[in-house]
Amino acid sequence: GQSLEQPSEVTAVEGAIVQINCTYQTSGFYGLSWYQQHDGGAPTFLSYNALDGLEETGRFSSFLSRSDSYGYLLLQELQMKDSASYFCAHGRNYKLSFGAGTTVTVRA
Amino acid sequence: DAGVIQSPRHEVTEMGQEVTLRCKPISGHDYLFWYRQTMMRGLELLIYFNNNVPIDDSGMPEDRFSAKMPNASFSTLKIQPSEPRDSAVYFCASSPGTASYEQYFGPGTRLTVT
Repeated sequence: GQSLEQPSEVTAVEGAIVQINCTYQTSGFYGLSWYQQHDGGAPTFLSYNALDGLEETGRFSSFLSRSDSYGYLLLQELQMKDSASYFCAHGRNYKLSFGAGTTVTVRA
Repeated sequence: DAGVIQSPRHEVTEMGQEVTLRCKPISGHDYLFWYRQTMMRGLELLIYFNNNVPIDDSGMPEDRFSAKMPNASFSTLKIQPSEPRDSAVYFCASSPGTASYEQYFGPGTRLTVT
């Protein structure tokens, strides 16, 4: 089976850095993805880690440690528009299983 | 590209009625996925297709749900008969075969069954 655990909520101020952790249990591993979803919107792809290490895409970075079954999404220089839900997802055989999501609230 | 297109965007129906949700994937994408999102259960994969063929429907909740993909540019998800517990947002997503982890979601259909 597969399960992913992530915190339910995070609040931070503009300009701050937020780290969203994701731990997973799975019988097989095919990479960890991250998606962003604004309230009332559709999930949008942010990043993917197939191997250990850090992937950087602008203000967002994602990290994976397969030995620890752990990953995180790092949001830097937070902006108000970053207020959204963030999901980690694990893929196997083209199927994605999503975590419950972390709601990030950015305050002025 | 217009992205994944779904219709209708909102659907309100009475219990027992048939509901049909429609999806047009991104041209050239080999994979099409149907998801359901609720507060209680989160984002769940219902079924996915590869080259118009259903590959895994293990997430389909029961026989009241069915999905078809008659060609590469169209898919439907049907619920018959609908029940109040089917109320959710239904997303269609597509993906190129080379990057299944990167899925492109449509805007979703918000279904309310009264």
